[in-house]
Amino acid sequence: AQTVTQSQPEMSVQEAETVTLSCTYDTSESDYYLFWYKQPPSRQMILVIRQEAYKQQNATENRFSVNFQKAAKSFSLKISDSQLGDAAMYFCAYTMNYGGSQGNLIFGKGTKLSVKP
Amino acid sequence: EAGVAQSPRYKIIEKRQSVAFWCNPISGHATLYWYQQILGQGPKLLIQFQNNGVVDDSQLPKDRFSAERLKGVDSTLKIQPAKLEDSAVYLCASSLERTGDGYTFGSGTRLTVV
Repeated sequence: AQTVTQSQPEMSVQEAETVTLSCTYDTSESDYYLFWYKQPPSRQMILVIRQEAYKQQNATENRFSVNFQKAAKSFSLKISDSQLGDAAMYFCAYTMNYGGSQGNLIFGKGTKLSVKP
Repeated sequence: EAGVAQSPRYKIIEKRQSVAFWCNPISGHATLYWYQQILGQGPKLLIQFQNNGVVDDSQLPKDRFSAERLKGVDSTLKIQPAKLEDSAVYLCASSLERTGDGYTFGSGTRLTVV
């Protein structure tokens, strides 16, 4: 069975600095998607960034980038120039690629990120 | 585009009572998911619909939980009777059928069973 592990329950970063959130996963599949979601107190899951497993290039979205190590099954999120609005729970998630269709999202337990002014 | 709508936002009930949650996905999204998020954990899938058919309900406690998606649009999740351990946030999400763009989530319903 596929699993997603986030080993950092809480992280803290100074405003304008850089922080990296860790995620590892376990799967026997070769084609899948990985995501980072942000969940503020409003509870709505917001997609931060996604990575397709067959793409070797690491995904980037403005201040957010990932370090995808397929062989090591590692998928870390780097937030540069941290802002107060980045404070939230961050979830790493995995889904298999069923020939172009996505399946169920499997989530890690989350990392609570605090941003200090 | 309008997001995924869920109601109610909060609900408090006594154990053994029943409760229902409603979800209206994004127009055109064929796939709808219900997730349960217990405090301090990541969301866990309860049920997945493709149009109005069930794709995966393997983690749905069928003795007390039920869900339906009439006409392949809105969906209702019901708990009857509720237990204390059902206290959680219930998230609804929808997605296009063939995409890796992830899901669009609603704001969830926070259920407290006392």
